[in-house]
Amino acid sequence: KAGVTQTPRYLIKTRGQQVTLSCSPISGHRSVSWYQQTPGQGLQFLFEYFSETQRNKGNFPGRFSGRQFSNSRSEMNVSTLELGDSALYLCASSLSGTSGADTQYFGPGTRLTVL
Amino acid sequence: GENVEQHPSTLSVQEGDSAVIKCTYSDSASNYFPWYKQELGKRPQLIIDIRSNVGEKKDQRIAVTLNKTAKHFSLHITETQPEDSAVYFCAASKSGGYQKVTFGIGTKLQVIP
Repeated sequence: KAGVTQTPRYLIKTRGQQVTLSCSPISGHRSVSWYQQTPGQGLQFLFEYFSETQRNKGNFPGRFSGRQFSNSRSEMNVSTLELGDSALYLCASSLSGTSGADTQYFGPGTRLTVL
Repeated sequence: GENVEQHPSTLSVQEGDSAVIKCTYSDSASNYFPWYKQELGKRPQLIIDIRSNVGEKKDQRIAVTLNKTAKHFSLHITETQPEDSAVYFCAASKSGGYQKVTFGIGTKLQVIP
């Protein structure tokens, strides 16, 4: 099976702009989670989607949003970019997370730089 | 919510020695504890995991132990090799109809040849 893919791999934006990141999960996986990774903060949970519904959300401002499509692909949007949003954004997919805690498989990430 | 503490933040060992990374969690309902390895510039990859009904699990040179009473779990790497150099993350999550995984801050392991 193909692994989790993310596009684009690299992005450079300026403050105030908005950005959309995309994640395609492993075929058959219905849960997609998003994480922000920075050197000092590790992996911070943003949100999780399952069957086009956001099931859980981390402690990030409303500028961070996402959605999931019927084919389980997910997008994440960040509006009004700030310098502190520069990070590696990782998505991870798992089967369902309903019958128990499932193993997550990560994508390669999108490196976002805000100037 | 769940809080996962991981230490040490950096660890240097001589090739062939053992390495131990420890994590504690706060939510007694957590029942799944994966460990991920992230090499420089690459995605985190699962290396081993353990569920709360098991106290220890081994996979070749890697082992994980879980103490539910004390709410801590550890990663043990024996006979370390230079390719073991990476950042290791522990994590905790629980079943219940949603998937939220809380990660530790990470441990940068350096294996010195």
